[in-house]
Amino acid sequence: AQRVTQPEKLLSVFKGAPVELKCNYSYSGSPELFWYVQYSRQRLQLLLRHISRESIKGFTADLNKGETSFHLKKPFAQEEDSAMYYCALSGGGGSNYKLTFGKGTLLTVNP
Amino acid sequence: DAGVIQSPRHEVTEMGQEVTLRCKPISGHDYLFWYRQTMMRGLELLIYFNNNVPIDDSGMPEDRFSAKMPNASFSTLKIQPSEPRDSAVYFCASSKDRAGYNEQFFGPGTRLTVL
Repeated sequence: AQRVTQPEKLLSVFKGAPVELKCNYSYSGSPELFWYVQYSRQRLQLLLRHISRESIKGFTADLNKGETSFHLKKPFAQEEDSAMYYCALSGGGGSNYKLTFGKGTLLTVNP
Repeated sequence: DAGVIQSPRHEVTEMGQEVTLRCKPISGHDYLFWYRQTMMRGLELLIYFNNNVPIDDSGMPEDRFSAKMPNASFSTLKIQPSEPRDSAVYFCASSKDRAGYNEQFFGPGTRLTVL
């Protein structure tokens, strides 16, 4: 069974501070991990995927298979980063399109 | 492209009534997904289709829920009869079949309130 855990429902930081949104997963095979984001009054959208190994809007996430984690990090938070963030997992290999989402973390960046 | 289109955006109904939610995926996308979002359970996959065929409906909560995709550009999620615990935001999403790349594009959601 696939399971994604985001331990923090709410996270509040000040502008310019580092931010880390935690994500742990449970999956027996080789997973694909994603971060989706939903800004206020906007649609849920993909932020980044672990296989791309890219930085989007200053955010990065590294898949740690030993710790089964995929934490999202940004060194200097901005007010426009305030949003709901969801970690998601799918079976790897491109053959399983079913996404399992965590319950989300609401990030608030204060001025 | 307007993206994934859902209607209605808001629906208020009374317990026992039938509710039909509609979704138009992005043209050319092979996969369509229905999700339900609640405070308690977060975002849950209900069912998904590939080329109009239901592939996995294990997330459908019970027989009161049904989903159809009669063609590549239209899908419905029906609840009959509706109950107050069905109150939630229902999202439709679609994606294009690309090996190793399955970004899902979400609609704006339908906020359902069952009184």
